[in-house]
Amino acid sequence: QKEVEQDPGPLSVPEGAIVSLNCTYSNSAFQYFMWYRQYSRKGPELLMYTYSSGNKEDGRFTAQVDKSSKYISLFIRDSQPSDSATYLCAMSATPTGGGNKLTFGTGTQLKVEL
Amino acid sequence: KAGVTQTPRYLIKTRGQQVTLSCSPISGHRSVSWYQQTPGQGLQFLFEYFSETQRNKGNFPGRFSGRQFSNSRSEMNVSTLELGDSALYLCASSLGGTLGVAFFGQGTRLTVV
Repeated sequence: QKEVEQDPGPLSVPEGAIVSLNCTYSNSAFQYFMWYRQYSRKGPELLMYTYSSGNKEDGRFTAQVDKSSKYISLFIRDSQPSDSATYLCAMSATPTGGGNKLTFGTGTQLKVEL
Repeated sequence: KAGVTQTPRYLIKTRGQQVTLSCSPISGHRSVSWYQQTPGQGLQFLFEYFSETQRNKGNFPGRFSGRQFSNSRSEMNVSTLELGDSALYLCASSLGGTLGVAFFGQGTRLTVV
């Protein structure tokens, strides 16, 4: 079983819809939770990050973390065709020896249609 | 502030050759991590460097190695290339503390033929 599970999609929604993207994880040591957006043939772009449990909002994006359920979500309101991309969740715990190592989900491919 | 810069953007190499990829982190960032992205495996952690020292390593064979210079720039080397090494190699930079968020470059797309 992978440490981080993410539905690969593809997920297709009409313009203006609310999109819900989710990841589950098994490692209780994860403390930082991030969402990246990746367009085709580009590097991942950091969208949002949260520390521990709770919600964080930034414009049309809301990130939620529920550590008790080991479940994180990204909501996109008023989705636009420009939101069409692959969304990757990533998590960070302090590995043995310290440092920074991200564990990624496989990514969900989102298409927002006109 | 300039982002993470990776060079070259594209590479085509032959099996058995070796390759060196370069990454310049965001100014002031001291941690550089490398990831391999393939359609089948997704993003997988290769290693992380901080202050010229390898701090963490993923589960990749010894053919994959790296180093970091005093100005925080990093290079990754892959020797004896195999077809399965074809991937997008991504570099991520962060300030350097533990549990920090990371910012990615555009990647180097390596094709091994």
